[in-house]
Amino acid sequence: SQKIEQNSEALNIQEGKTATLTCNYTNYSPAYLQWYRQDPGRGPVFLLLIRENEKEKRKERLKVTFDTTLKQSLFHITASQPADSATYLCALEDSSSGSARQLTFGSGTQLTVLP
Amino acid sequence: EPEVTQTPSHQVTQMGQEVILRCVPISNHLYFYWYRQILGQKVEFLVSFYNNEISEKSEIFDDQFSVERPDGSNFTLKIRSTKLEDSAMYFCASRAGTEAFFGQGTRLTVV
Repeated sequence: SQKIEQNSEALNIQEGKTATLTCNYTNYSPAYLQWYRQDPGRGPVFLLLIRENEKEKRKERLKVTFDTTLKQSLFHITASQPADSATYLCALEDSSSGSARQLTFGSGTQLTVLP
Repeated sequence: EPEVTQTPSHQVTQMGQEVILRCVPISNHLYFYWYRQILGQKVEFLVSFYNNEISEKSEIFDDQFSVERPDGSNFTLKIRSTKLEDSAMYFCASRAGTEAFFGQGTRLTVV
C-alpha cells in the first residue's frame, strides 16, 4: 500500500540550530514532492517544491533534498528562529494522479524552536 | 497578494442537516480542490474540479458530498446529511501551476 511517513511527530531544537525533517514514501512514483507549513487552525502554506529529477532546492534559510532511490526527502531550516515553530507537511503529487494532480500529505512534524 | 477565501470560518450544525461550505479560489486558477483535516490527523484529499466537472475524488467523497461552481467564481462543497464523523477542518485549494494555494479553512462541527 502507499505510504508517506514523516520521521517524528514532534521535534524540539534550540534557536540558531538547523532543523532537519524527514519524509519517506513507499509505492509512489512522485512527479514532485512539496513541503508546506501549517500553523494551528490555519491552512497549509506552500514553501518549496522539488522535482523528481532535482537533487536539491534552496530558498533563503530553507533547503530540500530529494533522493528517489532512497524514496526520501530531507527538509532543512538553518539558523532556526522561534517564528519557525509550526507543523511542516510533506506532500506528494503522484505521477499517476492524472491531470487533477491532487496532493497526498504526510501526517506532519511539529517543530518547536526554543529561544 | 491573491488568496483563497473560505466562508464561514466556523459552522456548527446538527447531525442530519445539510451544510454548504463556500470558497472563492484565486481568479486565474484552473484547478480547484477540497481537502479535509480531522483534528489531529493528516490533511486528506476529497475532490478535484477542473473544466466545470469533477476530475478525481477519493473514497471519502461519497454520495453525501457534492461540489459546484455555480457562478464562475464561487466553489462550494455540500454535505447532504451530516454525520458526527464529518466534523473536521475543510480546506479549499486552487492552483494554476504546481503550487497549491489553500484557504484558511472552515471548521465544521456536527453535534
